[in-house]
Amino acid sequence: KQEVTQIPAALSVPEGENLVLNCSFTDSAIYNLQWFRQDPGKGLTSLLLIQSSQREQTSGRLNASLDKSSGRSTLYIAASQPGDSATYLCAVNGDNYGQNFVFGPGTRLSVLP
Amino acid sequence: KAGVTQTPRYLIKTRGQQVTLSCSPISGHRSVSWYQQTPGQGLQFLFEYFSETQRNKGNFPGRFSGRQFSNSRSEMNVSTLELGDSALYLCASRLAPGQAGNTIYFGEGSWLTVV
Repeated sequence: KQEVTQIPAALSVPEGENLVLNCSFTDSAIYNLQWFRQDPGKGLTSLLLIQSSQREQTSGRLNASLDKSSGRSTLYIAASQPGDSATYLCAVNGDNYGQNFVFGPGTRLSVLP
Repeated sequence: KAGVTQTPRYLIKTRGQQVTLSCSPISGHRSVSWYQQTPGQGLQFLFEYFSETQRNKGNFPGRFSGRQFSNSRSEMNVSTLELGDSALYLCASRLAPGQAGNTIYFGEGSWLTVV
């Protein structure tokens, strides 16, 4: 059974800092891994999708890496801003568990002005 | 183009009643999946539909059901509501399942409160 964990559970940083969010998964047989952000009371917004054959993806100040063999992904946020405050979730999609997405519990990020 | 649309956004039901939630996927997307999000359990997969057929089902009781129409719109139904069914129900769409490059897009969700 695929299990996804995220560390840390919560993070509070001053504006301008670079930060790293971690995601780990137990079954390396995945199609892809996706990072999302969720604002309070809202749905999820897709940030980055990394296919299993890729090592990383970049979008603006965000960079996500994937090490499938070790079951890890990191989301790097450069020059954090108060608008980055949200919960960040990673999810993996694979064949061994019916191709549905399995989500981690999320990291709650607060960027202080 | 329009995103994933879910209706209603908020609803309150009484224990024992039943509820139907609706989801319209992004145009061209044929796969629709449903998730339940609660503070205690996080995001949990309910089921996924593709071409009007249920492809996968999560570990939920039979009170939770769904269907997909020929235009890819989907509904989910929860019968005999329990207090523990109070949650944010999220619908997501993607082009098709089983392809590594398919990004999944979520709607804003339907907030269900059971009293």
